[in-house]
Amino acid sequence: KAGVTQTPRYLIKTRGQQVTLSCSPISGHRSVSWYQQTPGQGLQFLFEYFSETQRNKGNFPGRFSGRQFSNSRSEMNVSTLELGDSALYLCASSVEGTSGELFFGEGSRLTVL
Amino acid sequence: GEDVEQSLFLSVREGDSSVINCTYTDSSSTYLYWYKQEPGAGLQLLTYIFSNMDMKQDQRLTVLLNKKDKHLSLRIADTQTGDSAIYFCALPHEGNNRLAFGKGNQVVVIP
Repeated sequence: KAGVTQTPRYLIKTRGQQVTLSCSPISGHRSVSWYQQTPGQGLQFLFEYFSETQRNKGNFPGRFSGRQFSNSRSEMNVSTLELGDSALYLCASSVEGTSGELFFGEGSRLTVL
Repeated sequence: GEDVEQSLFLSVREGDSSVINCTYTDSSSTYLYWYKQEPGAGLQLLTYIFSNMDMKQDQRLTVLLNKKDKHLSLRIADTQTGDSAIYFCALPHEGNNRLAFGKGNQVVVIP
C-alpha cells in the first residue's frame, strides 16, 4: 500500500511569507504527527492530530499551526517565516492502539531566504 | 523534558560489527525505538524493544537495554554499505506518537 506522501518536497520562501505543507497518511492511519528536523536541534515534535483534533503539541510558537481533515490528511502552516524555520518537515502516520510505530514521509524541505 | 543522548559519528569497515549507543533520562517508556534515515529520505523504523526486555535480536540487529543505567544500544552484525545512514534512538514522551529523538548517529561503512 502507498506510504506517507508529503507535498511539496522542496520549496523556497522569503522572510515574512507563509507556507502550507501537506501530508497524506497511509490508508487507515488516523494519527498524523509532524516533526521539524534541523542540523542544530535534530528532530523536534511539532504536533499530533487524531480524528481531526490536535492531541498533542510541542514547544513551538503560535506561528506554527496545523489541522487534520476528515479523510485524515493533514496540513501544517507556518506564518511570518523566519530564517530559522529553514528545515526538513517530516510527517508521520500511525495506527491508533499499536506500539506507537510511526511511518514517516520523505519530508518537505523548506528554505527561507 | 525527555533527554536522549547519542554519539554523533561512527566509521566501520564492511563486514565488521557496528555498535551505536544511546542514553536517556525518562525511565517510564514502554517501548524504545531505533529509526534509520538514509540520505534524502524520511525515517524508517528499524526495530523496537519493550521496556521489560533486556535484549532483542532481529536478523543482523541486536538491541540491548540496560534499564538501570538507562542505556540502549544497537548492534549491526556484518555491516554492509547499505547500512550507511543516520540512526536515531527514540522514546515516547508524553504520548505514544510523540517521540523524543536523539541527535542521531551517522554510520559510514567503508568498503
